[in-house]
Amino acid sequence: GENVEQHPSTLSVQEGDSAVIKCTYSDSASNYFPWYKQELGKRPQLIIDIRSNVGEKKDQRIAVTLNKTAKHFSLHITETQPEDSAVYFCAATSWGGFKTIFGAGTRLFVKA
Amino acid sequence: KAGVTQTPRYLIKTRGQQVTLSCSPISGHRSVSWYQQTPGQGLQFLFEYFSETQRNKGNFPGRFSGRQFSNSRSEMNVSTLELGDSALYLCASSTPGQGDRSSYNEQFFGPGTRLTVL
Repeated sequence: GENVEQHPSTLSVQEGDSAVIKCTYSDSASNYFPWYKQELGKRPQLIIDIRSNVGEKKDQRIAVTLNKTAKHFSLHITETQPEDSAVYFCAATSWGGFKTIFGAGTRLFVKA
Repeated sequence: KAGVTQTPRYLIKTRGQQVTLSCSPISGHRSVSWYQQTPGQGLQFLFEYFSETQRNKGNFPGRFSGRQFSNSRSEMNVSTLELGDSALYLCASSTPGQGDRSSYNEQFFGPGTRLTVL
């Protein structure tokens, strides 16, 4: 069945450093890849997404890259801040958005 | 626009009972997806509804079911509750997915219903 693997499960960085989270998906029909941030006790919220016809997308300190051939996509956060501390989920959605498969999540700690 | 709402927010049940959870999507959103979130397991896809039709289903036993009403509100039901069903159940709504390759749907999540099975 469809699967999304996410690594690492926990990531600790110093404030100002960069953080990278990597995901691999199995369903070749996936063509939309959102990233969600979930703070403690709150609902997941979309922070950035990328479509299969794009290799890279950037929004201020956050960027996502996609390698469709290898079925890999990654989240890059630069100049991390304590408020970036949260759980981050990657996901892969098949066309039409009928089914979204999430990775297991990465707990990011940013130490001040 | 008001966000996605879910009721109840908290629920405590005992094994063998059944439970019904409700989700009201953002106005105009016709697609509703349900997820189970447990520590260490991330978000597990349960099912997705659009125009009162279930379009896709995850790998959960038949005890988990759902439905969608004509106003796009959705309910999910879990029968014969087990201890392992304790989790946060999230629903998410999105704009219509017509099934064509240009339909990319950002999902907006509700606050979730935390179900505890004793």
